[in-house]
Amino acid sequence: GAGVSQSPSNKVTEKGKDVELRCDPISGHTALYWYRQSLGQGLEFLIYFQGNSAPDKSGLPSDRFSAERTGGSVSTLTIQRTQQEDSAVYLCASSLEAEDTIYFGEGSWLTVV
Amino acid sequence: KQEVTQIPAALSVPEGENLVLNCSFTDSAIYNLQWFRQDPGKGLTSLLLIQSSQREQTSGRLNASLDKSSGRSTLYIAASQPGDSATYLCAVRTSYGKLTFGQGTILTVHP
Repeated sequence: GAGVSQSPSNKVTEKGKDVELRCDPISGHTALYWYRQSLGQGLEFLIYFQGNSAPDKSGLPSDRFSAERTGGSVSTLTIQRTQQEDSAVYLCASSLEAEDTIYFGEGSWLTVV
Repeated sequence: KQEVTQIPAALSVPEGENLVLNCSFTDSAIYNLQWFRQDPGKGLTSLLLIQSSQREQTSGRLNASLDKSSGRSTLYIAASQPGDSATYLCAVRTSYGKLTFGQGTILTVHP
């Protein structure tokens, strides 16, 4: 596609439920990133994938968060047993190589009630 | 730990003014620095990328400079327009994966 595509664009879920957020990076981009932006807060790094290398998971806030990237393309961020503090915009981004310009998707707005 | 600070936090200017947004970072060991804009309810749009070996980059009415040794970058916007109103974010890359973002400058350009 022309840009980074994320789905769903909006998700409301009950506390304790699991959610999956999907990211389709720009075709051919080897690097994929997940960030989180909470209301009134800055952008928080979550996880980074580069080619076939082991992902950098250093930003995941707890073991309820996990992500995978299948076939070097699509990525899924999973949040288990959601909590209200997980409410945020989850932004996915990709770049051609690790040091190149990063392009962001429109984000998935998650609300936990 | 890398920290990124943007000044001012908010800026309101009349249309046509030239303006400067400032970004400072504490660790000069960076790969590159990228400026973004974010419109309300939207994702981030990349504006300019400056590699650590570069001093400046230009795109249209935008010019970004980088002084890595002093830990500073500026984004210059010439002849501002109401359509420039947005939040401007700078981000530094200190490792291949991780960008550290500033809190942003909220820019309002009024007609």
